[in-house]
Amino acid sequence: ITLKEAGPTLVKPTQTLTLTCTFSGFSLNSAAEGVGWVRQPPGKALEWLALIYWDDDQRYSPSLKNRLTITKDTSGTHVVLTMTNVEPVDTATYYCVHRRLPYEPGGYVPYHFDYWGQGILVTVSS
Amino acid sequence: DIQMTQSPTSLSAFVGDRVTITCRASQDIRNHLAWYQQKPGGVPKVLIYTASTLESGVPPRFSGSGSGTYFTLTISSLQPEDVATYYCQKYDSDPYTFGQGTKLEIK
Repeated sequence: ITLKEAGPTLVKPTQTLTLTCTFSGFSLNSAAEGVGWVRQPPGKALEWLALIYWDDDQRYSPSLKNRLTITKDTSGTHVVLTMTNVEPVDTATYYCVHRRLPYEPGGYVPYHFDYWGQGILVTVSS
Repeated sequence: DIQMTQSPTSLSAFVGDRVTITCRASQDIRNHLAWYQQKPGGVPKVLIYTASTLESGVPPRFSGSGSGTYFTLTISSLQPEDVATYYCQKYDSDPYTFGQGTKLEIK
């Protein structure tokens, strides 16, 4: 499994940031698969942003949900994250992550983020 | 939302020392906790999941324990290549919150 982030490296304040995650080794059209985003401001901690599952179930960070949209394409190989009204505090490295939910009797069980992309540094500045 | 609190925030130890990092959840997360290692300039890499399961390829000097709200990551004999920042993460349900990180250095 590999994931790779793509998008602008410089964005102006108030603009909308659009990032694309392209992945291989699995399909988001297959049951139990999920792809998400984690960001890390320079010198700071990791912050989970959003995640989308094979069935189009979307989950968002409560603090950012009003500004984020995560979508997947029909091919099952791309996920797009949009963040509206960016500010300098949104400057960070953005990572794409993979999550697969194991199935056990009773249903799907939680699982960690097992694969990460290399990350893309996005700077918000005028 | 459940908060994840790591301690200490930074740690310095000698090569060969036993090192322990703790992570506390503000509510019960059962054993749905992972530990990640991020080396300087690198991408986070999972070390341990389900609180105590070692990821394939991770040296056995790393171990995890705990359940509910209290978890630990232990390095039995610190090596120079272990210099990194370590993060815990809850993944029982969203939001999939990370701890604030523990920066580990060699004395």
